[in-house]
Amino acid sequence: GENVEQHPSTLSVQEGDSAVIKCTYSDSASNYFPWYKQELGKRPQLIIDIRSNVGEKKDQRIAVTLNKTAKHFSLHITETQPEDSAVYFCANKGNKLTFGGGTRVLVKP
Amino acid sequence: GAGVSQSPSNKVTEKGKDVELRCDPISGHTALYWYRQRLGQGLEFLIYFQGNSAPDKSGLPSDRFSAERTGESVSTLTIQRTQQEDSAVYLCASSLATGDYEQYFGPGTRLTVT
Repeated sequence: GENVEQHPSTLSVQEGDSAVIKCTYSDSASNYFPWYKQELGKRPQLIIDIRSNVGEKKDQRIAVTLNKTAKHFSLHITETQPEDSAVYFCANKGNKLTFGGGTRVLVKP
Repeated sequence: GAGVSQSPSNKVTEKGKDVELRCDPISGHTALYWYRQRLGQGLEFLIYFQGNSAPDKSGLPSDRFSAERTGESVSTLTIQRTQQEDSAVYLCASSLATGDYEQYFGPGTRLTVT
């Protein structure tokens, strides 16, 4: 069945540094890879997504890369700010959306 | 327009009692999902509905859990004979379809079983 591994589980960075979160998946039929951000006590919200026909997508300080051959995709946050502190979930979709275990990101001022 | 809503926002119940959680999806969204999120943990898939198709119940943890949805509207998640390990936030999400569409999450119902 579908399986998504997400690393690291926690990530602490200094404000202004970059943060990278990596996910690997097993379902070769996966064609959609969204990332969700969940702030403390809030609901998850989509921040960026990528489809299988694209290798990279960027939106301001956030970028996602996809390597379908290796079955992994990554989230990159540049110039991190305290408001980037949250839990980030990767997901992939084969026949249904499957979420990774989450990465708790702490940006230290 | 209105987003996904859930009720109640908080529910405290005694072990062994049944509870019913409600989700109102965004109008026009044919797909509806239920997830469980224990404190500090990830999103555990429970069940999803897509239009009039048979629901995917593969994530339900036991036969104490069931869910219904009438057409493309409200869904209810029922937990019978609640146990302390059922304590969690139950999140509902809806999307236009089960394709490559954003899932919009509700605020969740925080369930505490004492």
